[in-house]
Amino acid sequence: DTGVSQNPRHKITKRGQNVTFRCDPISEHNRLYWYRQTLGQGPEFLTYFQNEAQLEKSRLLSDRFSAERPKGSFSTLEIQRTEQGDSAMYLCASSSYSAGTGNTDTQYFGPGTRLTVL
Amino acid sequence: DQQVKQNSPSLSVQEGRISILNCDYTNSMFDYFLWYKKYPAEGPTFLISISSIKDKNEDGRFTVFLNKSAKHLSLHIVPSQPGDSAVYFCAASGFSGGYNKLIFGAGTRLAVHP
Repeated sequence: DTGVSQNPRHKITKRGQNVTFRCDPISEHNRLYWYRQTLGQGPEFLTYFQNEAQLEKSRLLSDRFSAERPKGSFSTLEIQRTEQGDSAMYLCASSSYSAGTGNTDTQYFGPGTRLTVL
Repeated sequence: DQQVKQNSPSLSVQEGRISILNCDYTNSMFDYFLWYKKYPAEGPTFLISISSIKDKNEDGRFTVFLNKSAKHLSLHIVPSQPGDSAVYFCAASGFSGGYNKLIFGAGTRLAVHP
């Protein structure tokens, strides 16, 4: 079990550029989540996949944001035309859900990608 | 609209003493609660959880208490160690539509002094 990994760990970009982050979940986990954390706040939910299906998107996820999980394994989060307000830590989490566990599947987080938009 | 609140931004405790971190929630549909610990430049690390059908869950030095009527939970760390110094986040989720998403509090920074 290598845990959740995220790449890159840090990204500095200029306003208006596009950026893409990658998340590799724990291998047997079927659920994958993206969160965003700004200074002094807890993580905020962005979107969620079960296998390859994107089942929910937060209203925080504007149309400049898109997430994919094409084969139900790794996921990418792309931000187009970045703005300074996009500067944050982007966290990925994964969990193993089955009907028998109900909603008690524990989410395990990766180290995050820190985005700085200049 | 903060559904999960951690009203103490920081807490300082002497090594060996008890640390008590508090969390309040407003949504009565929440039925699963978790505590995460976060070190700088790392992602949150799962610590302990509790389902709403219980009022206490214990794991080693860590115990979580849930008071559903007061919509309040607390994390007790006994004895506190310097390595426990971190930011602690309370999170809640509620079963809806077959999925869950975590709603986090703003965190409490715990400092354990030798």
